[in-house]
Amino acid sequence: KNEVEQSPQNLTAQEGEFITINCSYSVGISALHWLQQHPGGGIVSLFMLSSGKKKHGRLIATINIQEKHSSLHITASHPRDSAVYICAAANTGNQFYFGTGTSLTVIP
Amino acid sequence: DAGITQSPRHKVTETGTPVTLRCHQTENHRYMYWYRQDPGHGLRLIHYSYGVKDTDKGEVSDGYSVSRSKTEDFLLTLESATSSQTSVYFCAISETAVYGYTFGSGTRLTVV
Repeated sequence: KNEVEQSPQNLTAQEGEFITINCSYSVGISALHWLQQHPGGGIVSLFMLSSGKKKHGRLIATINIQEKHSSLHITASHPRDSAVYICAAANTGNQFYFGTGTSLTVIP
Repeated sequence: DAGITQSPRHKVTETGTPVTLRCHQTENHRYMYWYRQDPGHGLRLIHYSYGVKDTDKGEVSDGYSVSRSKTEDFLLTLESATSSQTSVYFCAISETAVYGYTFGSGTRLTVV
């Protein structure tokens, strides 16, 4: 069983829709990261969370430490949001555990 | 990202040849990591370093070795490349997990 599970694996949305990607983890963490990877591209860190909620533009990330669960929300989705979103849990030993990613396609 | 560079960006090599990938950082971060990314597997840790000459194995370390003789450079070596090592390799740096995590642009390696 993976230490980090993401759902869904694939997601197709119409432009403008509200999108939620979920991440559950089983390890004790010091921080949880959301990463974005565009097709053929590098990996960019979107958020780093240790509690609560963070917002950057149309992206919102939340974490519930007790439930070991995090969500990434995209409001008013746009085709340029099409990418793979990866959840990564960092333990206190600075080890990172990755989900397999959620492939998002936003259709105009 | 300006603070971390990988070289080469692309490489095609023959089975059985040695290959070295380089990761260079200008951020003076303590931790450096090598991952491979394959379809259906996500990112998997090969080796990591927590300081100069301090390295440890990850979950897929067989067939790979690493060296870190300077804070800024972390080298990944495939002693004798195999077709199963065809992958995209990412380097990452981190000071601590709480302060963030930066990836290089990746190296696409093809072993023929």
